[in-house]
Amino acid sequence: DTEVTQTPKHLVMGMTNKKSLKCEQHMGHRAMYWYKQKAKKPPELMFVYSYEKLSINESVPSRFSPECPNSSLLNLHLHALQPEDSALYLCASSQDLGGTEAFFGQGTRLTVV
Amino acid sequence: DAKTTQPPSMDCAEGRAANLPCNHSTISGNEYVYWYRQIHSQGPQYIIHGLKNNETNEMASLIITEDRKSSTLILPHATLRDTAVYYCIVRVYGGATNKLIFGTGTLLAVQP
Repeated sequence: DTEVTQTPKHLVMGMTNKKSLKCEQHMGHRAMYWYKQKAKKPPELMFVYSYEKLSINESVPSRFSPECPNSSLLNLHLHALQPEDSALYLCASSQDLGGTEAFFGQGTRLTVV
Repeated sequence: DAKTTQPPSMDCAEGRAANLPCNHSTISGNEYVYWYRQIHSQGPQYIIHGLKNNETNEMASLIITEDRKSSTLILPHATLRDTAVYYCIVRVYGGATNKLIFGTGTLLAVQP
């Protein structure tokens, strides 16, 4: 199983809502990542987790709150988002920080209204 | 971080080889060159990576110049399904600072 599964595939939320994005992998990978991708732009790194600990936060606003409850799961909690936060949110995993290949999920397309 | 420069778009005829160039003139000695591609509305997919030597796998070949300042990804027999944005990435690695930073990429359009 070389899949990274993201749910939901699509999400529409209001600016006062709280929602969560979920990412799951069963490859035994110990590094997991969140990326944000705006239309026609490359993915931008948001967070990196290594062995369930936050390793990198790319100065992401606090309305995005990551969580890694165990080695297979990565969540992204969303609160008080703005319309400009509408984007494709991609999760990825690799064997560890030195892993040569990152596997990406299909993403969650988020629309903030 | 070393940056990469790629042409914004390229065309290739189906069945022909697609050669995608990438410049990374500020690459450091221990930085790898990675290639990923992203087919429309999907997550990026790993293709190949290399440090100094040329590399080949079932998907593509990677040619890195001797001075490591540029590289070329070769898809030997392009098909319509290879139409995608191809990202050349120089990977920064060091302890807890591992990053995979995407550049602007090349949109490869394979024509029938």
